[in-house]
Amino acid sequence: GQNIDQPTEMTATEGAIVQINCTYQTSGFNGLFWYQQHAGEAPTFLSYNVLDGLEEKGRFSSFLSRSKGYSYLLLKELQMKDSASYLCAVLDSNYQLIWGAGTKLIIKP
Amino acid sequence: DVKVTQSSRYLVKRTGEKVFLECVQDMDHENMFWYRQDPGLGLRLIYFSYDVKMKEKGDIPEGYSVSREKKERFSLILESASTNQTSMYLCASSFIGQGAINQPQHFGDGTRLSIL
Repeated sequence: GQNIDQPTEMTATEGAIVQINCTYQTSGFNGLFWYQQHAGEAPTFLSYNVLDGLEEKGRFSSFLSRSKGYSYLLLKELQMKDSASYLCAVLDSNYQLIWGAGTKLIIKP
Repeated sequence: DVKVTQSSRYLVKRTGEKVFLECVQDMDHENMFWYRQDPGLGLRLIYFSYDVKMKEKGDIPEGYSVSREKKERFSLILESASTNQTSMYLCASSFIGQGAINQPQHFGDGTRLSIL
């Protein structure tokens, strides 16, 4: 079967750095997406990785290792507004998105 | 910016009722999707559509149907609502075609549906 694993919840301090991991086993791979979802709101797109390596976009970076079936989202200089759920999703061989359950990130002052 | 609009943020219905959830997108996207989101589970795909009048079953289509009569509108129908269909329902849309593989899905704000 297809599976995406993420930690259920993480806590970090304002101004710090946090890494949210995602591991996957899917039938084929056509890229990995990260989304942010604030409570009661729509998920919004953060990043897409299809090649190995690190993609940086401001305070957020996303890393992919296809051989290990592993990705992480790195958030730097954490702000209170970064408190949200972070969803990892893999595009499989049929171009269907397989979603992880999401990681709830709590930022403390 | 892409706008995906769902008709209701909150909805309360009774067991056995027929329920309609509406979704409209304004970016001429070919693909449209209906998901449900429950605590501790990932987004689960109910149905999707890649063109007008076309529909494909997702992972959990039982108890649901869809309608896509116009490109911008995708409706989810609960034929006879049951309490286990209480959930958050999210609609999304995206582009299709060459070069679109990395195009993200754009989501509406969701409808929190309670079946009593």
